[in-house]
Amino acid sequence: ILNVEQSPQSLHVQEGDSTNFTCSFPSSNFYALHWYRWETAKSPEALFVMTLNGDEKKKGRISATLNTKEGYSYLYIKGSQPEDSATYLCAFNSNYQLIWGAGTKLIIKP
Amino acid sequence: NAGVTQTPKFRVLKTGQSMTLLCAQDMNHEYMYWYRQDPGMGLRLIHYSVGEGTTAKGEVPDGYNVSRLKKQNFLLGLESAAPSQTSVYFCASLTRTSDYGYTFGSGTRLTVV
Repeated sequence: ILNVEQSPQSLHVQEGDSTNFTCSFPSSNFYALHWYRWETAKSPEALFVMTLNGDEKKKGRISATLNTKEGYSYLYIKGSQPEDSATYLCAFNSNYQLIWGAGTKLIIKP
Repeated sequence: NAGVTQTPKFRVLKTGQSMTLLCAQDMNHEYMYWYRQDPGMGLRLIHYSVGEGTTAKGEVPDGYNVSRLKKQNFLLGLESAAPSQTSVYFCASLTRTSDYGYTFGSGTRLTVV
């Protein structure tokens, strides 16, 4: 059974602080690793699709790294802002399906 | 460019009624998916399609049927709704190269009473 785990489950961060969280996935049969941001009452929004070991992608203050050999990816947020409050999902691309983690809920305290 | 459009946005059904949720995408994506999202749980895949005329079961297919007669549309049917199908349903599409990840619709909130 393929399993994707995210930690921590939830995180409270002071506005202005930087933070990071982890996605662990199977290291075999890897095709791609996705990150999404899901704000309350909205639909998930794609942040990154990462395919190569050692990949590092950046979008504004958010960046992600990928280690396919050991099966983990980190998402970093620099200088957290209130609008960063959301659930961050990662998903492991296996065949035609994505296997989703349960998400890390990020709450930014003003 | 509308992306992924789901209709309806909200619906209340009585137990035993049937309905069809429509997902339409205008991005020429090959793959389309139906998910449900329940409180305290992550997204769970109901059915998916890798191309026109093809469908496959996901993690929680029971009680649902799907059809993909046209590439741009993916229909999710509930033949006899049950309270356990009360959920928020998301449709998503993906292009074969998957460089940009899934594009999600805005969701359909379904309540079965």
